[in-house]
Amino acid sequence: GNSVTQMEGPVTLSEEAFLTINCTYTATGYPSLFWYVQYPGEGLQLLLKATKADDKGSNKGFEATYRKETTSFHLEKGSVQVSDSAVYFCAQCSGGSNYKLTFGKGTLLTVNP
Amino acid sequence: EPEVTQTPSHQVTQMGQEVILRCVPISNHLYFYWYRQILGQKVEFLVSFYNNEISEKSEIFDDQFSVERPDGSNFTLKIRSTKLEDSAMYFCASSAKQRQETQYFGPGTRLLVL
Repeated sequence: GNSVTQMEGPVTLSEEAFLTINCTYTATGYPSLFWYVQYPGEGLQLLLKATKADDKGSNKGFEATYRKETTSFHLEKGSVQVSDSAVYFCAQCSGGSNYKLTFGKGTLLTVNP
Repeated sequence: EPEVTQTPSHQVTQMGQEVILRCVPISNHLYFYWYRQILGQKVEFLVSFYNNEISEKSEIFDDQFSVERPDGSNFTLKIRSTKLEDSAMYFCASSAKQRQETQYFGPGTRLLVL
């Protein structure tokens, strides 16, 4: 079945450090891929998405490129801020007759000043 | 910016009691979903709903669960007889017809079953 695997957290970085959170997926066909962010005490917010191979999603300085050949969608940011501290979820949607999202386990990011 | 809202934000109930979780999806969206997140675990799909019927449901969504769109704005999840293991954060989401895969989530309802 479809699945998403994220790098295990927690990840702790200093402000202005470079961030990578790895995400790989297994799917039949070509899913749409997403990163969601969950700030402390809040719900899930869509951070970025990519719907086909080689697409790059970007938002708030975060980027992720849909790599079909490696079935990956790694999240990157060049310079993290304290306010980026949150849990990040990678997810896929395989479409078809339904549009359920399959999530990874989430990666807790803590950015220290 | 339009957003999905959910009520209540927190609900505490006794085992065996019925609970109804409420959601108001984004107004022009046509696809609706419920997910849950047990503490410390991944977000799991429960059910999707379109055109007043269930499109798909997971194995979690057994006979104790039901969904309804009682009017033009609300979307509810009912758990008939709660169990301890139903304790979780429940998220409602909605998406537009032309972009069904892009789902917008509400802030969640934290359900605690005692």
